[in-house]
Amino acid sequence: RKEVEQDPGPFNVPEGATVAFNCTYSNSASQSFFWYRQDCRKEPKLLMSVYSSGNEDGRFTAQLNRASQYISLLIRDSKLSDSATYLCVVNMATSGTYKYIFGTGTRLKVLA
Amino acid sequence: ETGVTQTPRHLVMGMTNKKSLKCEQHLGHNAMYWYKQSAKKPLELMFVYSLEERVENNSVPSRFSPECPNSSHLFLHLHTLQPEDSALYLCASSLGTSGRSGELFFGEGSRLTVL
Repeated sequence: RKEVEQDPGPFNVPEGATVAFNCTYSNSASQSFFWYRQDCRKEPKLLMSVYSSGNEDGRFTAQLNRASQYISLLIRDSKLSDSATYLCVVNMATSGTYKYIFGTGTRLKVLA
Repeated sequence: ETGVTQTPRHLVMGMTNKKSLKCEQHLGHNAMYWYKQSAKKPLELMFVYSLEERVENNSVPSRFSPECPNSSHLFLHLHTLQPEDSALYLCASSLGTSGRSGELFFGEGSRLTVL
């Protein structure tokens, strides 16, 4: 089983739609969770950190479910500019050290 | 000024060349990382340095040689690379290497092509 798993997509959605991504992680000792956004041929950029209580930033809502070991990202009212790859990142303990482990990314295409 | 800067942004080299990638962070972080991103593949962690000490070497071939002279600078020395090493090499930094070190900050990457 992969340490961090995401559906690679692509998710093709019309403008204005609501879209949700999930990500599962294997290590229950994981400490920190993040969603990054990566545009084509660019570096990943932090979209938001994910907290147990859930957090919201404008049209974006992130949730963490420790019991089921998954995190989610909800995007409301999708814009064309939201088209990108969304990376799930988990800071987890492996072999005695903490590492930032990346999922494969979920590709989103918002269509006009 | 970006927090993490990488040079060069693009590099083309032959298999017998020796070159280096440079990374500098201006964030006062204690940990620095090299990641490799090949086309249509997830980011692969290569090396982690914490306070200039290498704490992770993720089974990377010896033709990649990292160097961390201080907590702000990180190099990746390249020699006798193979065409399959062509990829985007990303440098990142974080506060530390604990489980609560906050997020990773990335540089813009160095796109390497090996002929």
